[in-house]
Amino acid sequence: EVQLVESGGGLVQAGGSLRLSCAASGFSVSNNHMNWVRQAPGKGLEWVSILYKNAGTTHYADSVKGRFAISRDNSQNTLYLQMNSLRPEDTAVYYCARDDMATFYFDYWGQGILVTVSS
Amino acid sequence: EIVLTQSPATLSLSPGESATLSCRASQSVSRFLAWYQQKPGRAPRLLIYDASNRATGIPARFSGSGSGTDFTLTISSLEPEDFAVYYCQQRSAWPRTFGQGTKVEIK
Repeated sequence: EVQLVESGGGLVQAGGSLRLSCAASGFSVSNNHMNWVRQAPGKGLEWVSILYKNAGTTHYADSVKGRFAISRDNSQNTLYLQMNSLRPEDTAVYYCARDDMATFYFDYWGQGILVTVSS
Repeated sequence: EIVLTQSPATLSLSPGESATLSCRASQSVSRFLAWYQQKPGRAPRLLIYDASNRATGIPARFSGSGSGTDFTLTISSLEPEDFAVYYCQQRSAWPRTFGQGTKVEIK
Protein backbone atom coordinates (compact mmCIF):
# COMPACT_ATOMS: atom_id res chain seq x y z
CA GLU A 1 0.00 0.00 0.00
CA VAL A 2 1.32 3.41 -0.96
CA GLN A 3 1.74 5.79 1.97
CA LEU A 4 3.27 9.22 2.35
CA VAL A 5 3.91 10.64 5.83
CA GLU A 6 5.10 14.22 6.31
CA SER A 7 7.01 15.48 9.34
CA GLY A 8 9.12 18.43 10.40
CA GLY A 9 6.51 21.15 10.52
CA GLY A 10 5.95 23.59 13.34
CA LEU A 11 6.22 27.21 14.40
CA VAL A 12 9.15 29.30 13.14
CA GLN A 13 9.89 33.01 13.12
CA ALA A 14 10.02 34.98 9.90
CA GLY A 15 13.45 34.68 8.32
CA GLY A 16 13.99 31.24 9.82
CA SER A 17 14.38 27.82 8.23
CA LEU A 18 12.65 24.49 8.40
CA ARG A 19 13.10 21.16 6.67
CA LEU A 20 10.08 19.04 5.88
CA SER A 21 10.35 15.30 5.31
CA CYS A 22 8.01 12.96 3.49
CA ALA A 23 8.61 9.28 4.22
CA ALA A 24 7.30 7.01 1.50
CA SER A 25 6.31 3.38 1.67
CA GLY A 26 4.81 0.98 -0.84
CA PHE A 27 6.89 2.42 -3.69
CA SER A 28 10.29 4.04 -4.30
CA VAL A 29 10.50 7.82 -4.49
CA SER A 30 13.19 7.35 -7.15
CA ASN A 31 10.58 5.80 -9.47
CA ASN A 32 8.17 8.73 -9.48
CA HIS A 33 8.21 12.48 -9.90
CA MET A 34 7.49 13.87 -6.42
CA ASN A 35 5.88 17.15 -5.43
CA TRP A 36 5.11 19.51 -2.59
CA VAL A 37 1.75 21.26 -2.58
CA ARG A 38 0.60 23.69 0.10
CA GLN A 39 -2.65 25.11 1.38
CA ALA A 40 -2.83 28.27 3.44
CA PRO A 41 -5.46 28.21 6.22
CA GLY A 42 -8.92 28.41 4.68
CA LYS A 43 -7.49 28.84 1.18
CA GLY A 44 -7.00 26.80 -1.96
CA LEU A 45 -4.19 24.57 -3.15
CA GLU A 46 -0.86 25.88 -4.43
CA TRP A 47 1.71 23.68 -6.12
CA VAL A 48 5.17 24.43 -4.70
CA SER A 49 7.83 22.22 -6.25
CA ILE A 50 8.57 19.04 -8.19
CA LEU A 51 11.57 16.70 -8.27
CA TYR A 52 11.72 14.53 -11.35
CA LYS A 53 12.49 10.84 -10.96
CA ASN A 54 15.89 11.40 -12.60
CA ALA A 55 16.61 13.80 -9.70
CA GLY A 56 18.29 16.15 -12.11
CA THR A 57 15.28 18.30 -12.84
CA THR A 58 13.35 20.48 -10.46
CA HIS A 59 10.74 23.19 -10.82
CA TYR A 60 9.54 25.72 -8.27
CA ALA A 61 6.66 28.13 -7.94
CA ASP A 62 7.82 31.72 -8.32
CA SER A 63 6.66 32.40 -4.76
CA VAL A 64 9.34 30.06 -3.33
CA LYS A 65 12.07 30.12 -5.99
CA GLY A 66 15.48 30.81 -4.49
CA ARG A 67 14.25 30.10 -0.94
CA PHE A 68 13.06 26.48 -1.04
CA ALA A 69 14.93 23.40 -2.23
CA ILE A 70 13.49 19.97 -2.96
CA SER A 71 15.59 16.83 -2.66
CA ARG A 72 15.35 13.15 -1.81
CA ASP A 73 17.30 10.37 -0.11
CA ASN A 74 16.80 7.12 -1.96
CA SER A 75 18.27 5.05 0.89
CA GLN A 76 15.68 6.50 3.28
CA ASN A 77 12.96 6.55 0.61
CA THR A 78 12.23 10.09 1.72
CA LEU A 79 11.47 13.39 0.00
CA TYR A 80 12.55 16.69 1.56
CA LEU A 81 11.72 20.36 1.31
CA GLN A 82 14.31 22.73 2.74
CA MET A 83 12.60 26.04 3.42
CA ASN A 84 14.77 29.10 4.08
CA SER A 85 14.02 32.80 4.56
CA LEU A 86 10.50 31.91 5.62
CA ARG A 87 7.76 34.52 5.43
CA PRO A 88 4.38 34.74 7.16
CA GLU A 89 2.74 34.05 3.78
CA ASP A 90 4.44 30.63 3.75
CA THR A 91 2.12 29.58 6.59
CA ALA A 92 0.23 26.57 5.27
CA VAL A 93 -0.37 22.88 5.45
CA TYR A 94 2.27 21.27 3.25
CA TYR A 95 1.45 18.07 1.42
CA CYS A 96 3.81 15.80 -0.43
CA ALA A 97 2.18 14.26 -3.48
CA ARG A 98 3.25 11.63 -5.94
CA ASP A 99 2.94 11.95 -9.69
CA ASP A 100 1.30 9.01 -11.37
CA MET A 101 3.92 8.23 -13.99
CA ALA A 102 1.28 7.33 -16.59
CA THR A 103 -0.84 10.47 -16.27
CA PHE A 104 1.37 12.99 -14.40
CA TYR A 105 -1.32 14.01 -11.96
CA PHE A 106 -1.16 13.74 -8.16
CA ASP A 107 -2.41 10.25 -7.38
CA TYR A 108 -1.25 9.84 -3.76
CA TRP A 109 -0.98 12.51 -1.09
CA GLY A 110 0.34 12.62 2.44
CA GLN A 111 -1.82 13.73 5.34
CA GLY A 112 -0.17 17.15 5.40
CA ILE A 113 1.95 19.00 7.94
CA LEU A 114 1.35 22.49 9.28
CA VAL A 115 4.03 25.15 9.01
CA THR A 116 3.36 28.41 10.84
CA VAL A 117 5.61 31.41 10.27
CA SER A 118 5.22 34.17 12.83
CA SER A 119 6.09 37.78 12.19
CA GLU B 1 0.98 31.35 -15.53
CA ILE B 2 -2.32 29.73 -16.47
CA VAL B 3 -5.14 30.92 -14.25
CA LEU B 4 -8.02 28.54 -13.60
CA THR B 5 -11.31 30.14 -12.60
CA GLN B 6 -13.93 27.91 -11.02
CA SER B 7 -17.63 28.67 -10.76
CA PRO B 8 -19.73 28.87 -8.82
CA ALA B 9 -17.84 29.43 -5.58
CA THR B 10 -20.53 27.57 -3.67
CA LEU B 11 -23.21 25.18 -4.82
CA SER B 12 -26.08 24.41 -2.43
CA LEU B 13 -27.83 21.18 -3.34
CA SER B 14 -29.74 18.30 -1.79
CA PRO B 15 -28.70 14.64 -1.87
CA GLY B 16 -29.90 13.02 -5.08
CA GLU B 17 -29.60 16.22 -7.09
CA SER B 18 -27.11 16.69 -9.89
CA ALA B 19 -24.12 19.03 -9.56
CA THR B 20 -22.40 20.85 -12.41
CA LEU B 21 -19.07 22.55 -11.67
CA SER B 22 -17.18 24.71 -14.13
CA CYS B 23 -13.47 25.42 -14.61
CA ARG B 24 -12.25 27.96 -17.15
CA ALA B 25 -8.58 28.33 -18.12
CA SER B 26 -6.95 31.64 -19.08
CA GLN B 27 -5.40 29.89 -22.09
CA SER B 28 -5.79 26.50 -23.69
CA VAL B 29 -4.67 23.52 -21.60
CA SER B 30 -5.77 21.03 -24.27
CA ARG B 31 -7.17 18.16 -22.19
CA PHE B 32 -4.51 18.30 -19.46
CA LEU B 33 -6.91 19.01 -16.66
CA ALA B 34 -7.79 17.10 -13.49
CA TRP B 35 -10.42 17.37 -10.78
CA TYR B 36 -9.80 16.70 -7.07
CA GLN B 37 -12.16 16.38 -4.13
CA GLN B 38 -11.14 17.61 -0.69
CA LYS B 39 -12.98 17.08 2.58
CA PRO B 40 -12.23 19.11 5.73
CA GLY B 41 -8.95 18.16 7.34
CA ARG B 42 -8.13 15.68 4.58
CA ALA B 43 -5.78 15.59 1.63
CA PRO B 44 -7.25 16.03 -1.84
CA ARG B 45 -8.28 12.95 -3.80
CA LEU B 46 -7.89 12.62 -7.56
CA LEU B 47 -11.26 12.12 -9.27
CA ILE B 48 -10.79 12.86 -12.97
CA TYR B 49 -7.66 13.19 -15.11
CA ASP B 50 -7.12 14.34 -18.68
CA ALA B 51 -10.51 16.06 -18.56
CA SER B 52 -12.71 12.98 -18.70
CA ASN B 53 -10.99 9.88 -17.32
CA ARG B 54 -12.06 8.61 -13.92
CA ALA B 55 -9.25 7.75 -11.55
CA THR B 56 -9.05 4.32 -9.99
CA GLY B 57 -11.95 3.56 -7.68
CA ILE B 58 -13.97 6.68 -8.51
CA PRO B 59 -17.72 6.02 -8.87
CA ALA B 60 -19.39 6.40 -12.24
CA ARG B 61 -21.58 9.26 -10.96
CA PHE B 62 -18.51 11.49 -11.37
CA SER B 63 -17.86 12.56 -14.96
CA GLY B 64 -15.73 15.20 -16.62
CA SER B 65 -15.87 16.90 -19.98
CA GLY B 66 -14.30 19.72 -21.93
CA SER B 67 -11.14 20.71 -23.72
CA GLY B 68 -9.18 23.84 -24.47
CA THR B 69 -10.35 26.42 -21.95
CA ASP B 70 -13.73 25.19 -20.69
CA PHE B 71 -14.24 22.16 -18.48
CA THR B 72 -17.08 20.67 -16.46
CA LEU B 73 -17.29 18.22 -13.60
CA THR B 74 -20.70 16.61 -13.21
CA ILE B 75 -21.87 14.60 -10.22
CA SER B 76 -25.01 12.87 -11.46
CA SER B 77 -26.77 12.15 -8.16
CA LEU B 78 -25.19 13.55 -5.02
CA GLU B 79 -24.46 11.12 -2.23
CA PRO B 80 -23.96 12.42 1.35
CA GLU B 81 -20.21 11.77 1.06
CA ASP B 82 -19.92 14.00 -2.04
CA PHE B 83 -20.38 17.24 -0.12
CA ALA B 84 -16.87 18.68 -0.21
CA VAL B 85 -14.67 21.20 -2.03
CA TYR B 86 -13.66 20.44 -5.61
CA TYR B 87 -10.56 21.79 -7.34
CA CYS B 88 -9.49 21.71 -10.97
CA GLN B 89 -5.76 21.57 -11.82
CA GLN B 90 -3.83 21.89 -15.08
CA ARG B 91 -0.56 20.30 -16.09
CA SER B 92 -0.31 21.82 -19.54
CA ALA B 93 2.28 24.40 -18.52
CA TRP B 94 4.55 25.29 -15.63
CA PRO B 95 3.73 26.12 -12.97
CA ARG B 96 1.02 23.59 -12.40
CA THR B 97 -1.95 25.58 -11.13
CA PHE B 98 -5.21 24.94 -9.32
CA GLY B 99 -8.52 26.68 -9.44
CA GLN B 100 -9.74 28.39 -6.29
CA GLY B 101 -12.27 25.64 -5.59
CA THR B 102 -16.03 25.10 -5.59
CA LYS B 103 -17.71 24.11 -2.35
CA VAL B 104 -20.64 21.73 -2.74
CA GLU B 105 -22.74 22.10 0.39
CA ILE B 106 -25.93 20.54 1.65
CA LYS B 107 -28.98 22.70 1.04
